[in-house]
Amino acid sequence: GAGVSQSPSNKVTEKGKDVELRCDPISGHTALYWYRQSLGQGLEFLIYFQGNSAPDKSGLPSDRFSAERTGGSVSTLTIQRTQQEDSAVYLCASSRMRAQETQYFGPGTRLLVL
Amino acid sequence: ELKVEQNPLFLSMQEGKNYTIYCNYSTTSDRLYWYRQDPGKSLESLFVLLSNGAVKQEGRLMASLDTKARLSTLHITAAVHDLSATYFCAGRMYSGGGADGLTFGKGTHLIIQP
Repeated sequence: GAGVSQSPSNKVTEKGKDVELRCDPISGHTALYWYRQSLGQGLEFLIYFQGNSAPDKSGLPSDRFSAERTGGSVSTLTIQRTQQEDSAVYLCASSRMRAQETQYFGPGTRLLVL
Repeated sequence: ELKVEQNPLFLSMQEGKNYTIYCNYSTTSDRLYWYRQDPGKSLESLFVLLSNGAVKQEGRLMASLDTKARLSTLHITAAVHDLSATYFCAGRMYSGGGADGLTFGKGTHLIIQP
């Protein structure tokens, strides 16, 4: 079946602009996660959704970062007033339920802030 | 806070040889994951280890978990070039309060030479 999809695959933006990254989880998966991967910091957890609610936002690096999920499916990660240090690959993952063993990852969005 | 350390971070080995990647974690993790990442690609789930003494094998890869030692290993048997990739281990600190994000190690960049 279809896996986790993300769009865009690549995004180049200027410092100070806002960006929106989209994640479509695997159908039927209620848990959704955002991570980012950068050379300096490795893989970092950002936020977790169970259904439409986000019980764990502990990884969001600043208040410029926000995320929402609607209809228990698609999620959008928004970065306001982007900075160069936001450049990274943003990965989305989903799992069937919180207790599900495996998180399945999407292909990622490669963000470059100039 | 859960911390995950992998070693080695870089490994170059010859085809046909055996080797082990080690993953130490700092505090109780209710499960331990191994993922593979090819260059420019996303993360592919390899194993999920749920309990002390768990051992899982898939082809030339075998993963094990010792929760008392807070150690997981990924053993490669008779390596082949196709196994060249970066391997990540990750733990999850289950608090019951929604802390479901994974904490990743820095990854082991494995190169297998003919």
